[in-house]
Amino acid sequence: GQQVMQIPQYQHVQEGEDFTTYCNSSTTLSNIQWYKQRPGGHPVFLIQLVKSGEVKKQKRLTFQFGEAKKNSSLHITATQTTDVGTYFCAGRVNAGKSTFGDGTTLTVKP
Amino acid sequence: KAGVTQTPRYLIKTRGQQVTLSCSPISGHRSVSWYQQTPGQGLQFLFEYFSETQRNKGNFPGRFSGRQFSNSRSEMNVSTLELGDSALYLCASSLYQNEQFFGPGTRLTVL
Repeated sequence: GQQVMQIPQYQHVQEGEDFTTYCNSSTTLSNIQWYKQRPGGHPVFLIQLVKSGEVKKQKRLTFQFGEAKKNSSLHITATQTTDVGTYFCAGRVNAGKSTFGDGTTLTVKP
Repeated sequence: KAGVTQTPRYLIKTRGQQVTLSCSPISGHRSVSWYQQTPGQGLQFLFEYFSETQRNKGNFPGRFSGRQFSNSRSEMNVSTLELGDSALYLCASSLYQNEQFFGPGTRLTVL
């Protein structure tokens, strides 16, 4: 079945450093979504990418969807303590189920 | 607009019992998905409902079932509980398979 792998599992950075998490799917995706879950909270939607090679930015966050629509990345520039949490990607094929990666947990040292 | 609500927020059950969890989606949302979240397994998809029809199902045993009512509210049921069913159960609603809005979850502990 469809698998979505996400790396790294954990990332510890110093405040001000950059952070990137990568998502790879075993199958070509129709779209990919990114979510952030703060400790003790629930996942919150960040963005959805649909087009091959799409790049979207939200302030310090940059999201990319690969040309083959099988991989994606989230890059945070100059991390802040408010960026702490677990970042999940979720891929969907057509009208199928949404498959989540295992997430990357980001900790930021002030 | 009110967010997704889930009840109860916490549950403690013993092995062999059954449990029913409830989810009320955002008004106007007709799609409801359920996920199981555990520290070691991440977010595992259980099922997705749209207009009272199950559209997708995850790889969980038949002890896990769900349904959606005409007002889009959804319930999931787990019968013959096992220790391994202890988890956070998250419900998410969406207009139609686009961005998902998650509820706060129901924390189930099976003793």
